[in-house]
Amino acid sequence: ILNVEQSPQSLHVQEGDSTNFTCSFPSSNFYALHWYRWETAKSPEALFVMTLNGDEKKKGRISATLNTKEGYSYLYIKGSQPEDSATYLCAFNRGSTLGRLYFGRGTQLTVWP
Amino acid sequence: DGGITQSPKYLFRKEGQNVTLSCEQNLNHDAMYWYRQDPGQGLRLIYYSQIVNDFQKGDIAEGYSVSREKKESFPLTVTSAQKNPTAFYLCASSPINSGMDEQFFGPGTRLTVL
Repeated sequence: ILNVEQSPQSLHVQEGDSTNFTCSFPSSNFYALHWYRWETAKSPEALFVMTLNGDEKKKGRISATLNTKEGYSYLYIKGSQPEDSATYLCAFNRGSTLGRLYFGRGTQLTVWP
Repeated sequence: DGGITQSPKYLFRKEGQNVTLSCEQNLNHDAMYWYRQDPGQGLRLIYYSQIVNDFQKGDIAEGYSVSREKKESFPLTVTSAQKNPTAFYLCASSPINSGMDEQFFGPGTRLTVL
């Protein structure tokens, strides 16, 4: 079982604050890194799938970076809004295991109005 | 509307009983997955299937069984051999069994053993 670590475990910010979380994963046998957003009472939804070292992806106010050599990815949220409140999951894939994903425990974000 | 459905949303079972959780998708995806979530833990893979009539064990397969007789269906049976079955169960699918494909998740089933 591979170790995927996410930090912090939880985060409380005020509306308008920018924030970021970290996902650490094994740097060997890297194939892909996934970010998902999981809102309460809903299903997890994919934000990004990243495959290349140095990759940066953006969706609205949310962006992510990837460093496969050192084994980490950052997720940034600019100008947090209450609707950004959710648990953010990262998941690692090592290619040899085909579609199998190894998930971290998630970062629970709460944005206060 | 394309998506994944899981039923029931809540399930209660007595100790010693087998129970089957349903997962159906109309996305025409080849690959399907079952995950379990416990408080304070990440999603853990129970079983996955790349194609009809084929499936592989994940990290915590003991006490569970699956079948994949149709592309759109991947039911999970929690047997009496599963020592601690109370948990939240998520089903997911992806177009093919590749790490580059995002996974699409159902709404989940919360199983409680009484």
